[in-house]
Amino acid sequence: DAGVTQSPTHLIKTRGQHVTLRCSPISGHKSVSWYQQVLGQGPQFIFQYYEKEERGRGNFPDRFSARQFPNYSSELNVNALLLGDSALYLCASSLEGGLPYEQYFGPGTRLTVT
Amino acid sequence: AQSVSQHNHHVILSEAASLELGCNYSYGGTVNLFWYVQYPGQHLQLLLKYFSGDPLVKGIKGFEAEFIKSKFSFNLRKPSVQWSDTAEYFCAVNANAGNMLTFGGGTRLMVKP
Repeated sequence: DAGVTQSPTHLIKTRGQHVTLRCSPISGHKSVSWYQQVLGQGPQFIFQYYEKEERGRGNFPDRFSARQFPNYSSELNVNALLLGDSALYLCASSLEGGLPYEQYFGPGTRLTVT
Repeated sequence: AQSVSQHNHHVILSEAASLELGCNYSYGGTVNLFWYVQYPGQHLQLLLKYFSGDPLVKGIKGFEAEFIKSKFSFNLRKPSVQWSDTAEYFCAVNANAGNMLTFGGGTRLMVKP
């Protein structure tokens, strides 16, 4: 069975640009969460989407936005990129929107902002 | 806001040594607790989780963790580590509706053969 997939794997952008990251959850999973992992730190929660609605938002500026599509895939958008946005962006899917459903993480998208 | 502290950033052990990784959280209410592992080049994987009941939980690959509510701790243990346990370990806490996780900073474990 395919796990959580994310694209692209790596991305290099310039300050001020916009980026879109994509995530496909495990088949049958309805919830997608996004996390940012800066080098040397643990993942930090950005968003959770369940049944196409935002169900949670972390402490990130409005430059960060996301959406979930009818097929439960998701996009994370970041506008006006800053150097500090360089990180590994992780997507996690789960069967439903709450516990005790385990979150399955994808391999991440490595974003470098120059 | 909840926070999670992992005080050991790097741990080096020899094979067969015992392991204990510390995890403390700050939140006064009901929490759900997790340990995730990231092996080199692989995704984050769930090792074990605690929701309620027996505070000693067992996970995969011989790992266990003990929830001590009075100490706000959820330490990870393994009696005898193997070289294949070399990885980064993350403690995480959930204290809200939904499944938002707050992660600690991680502990890099290196096991020498």
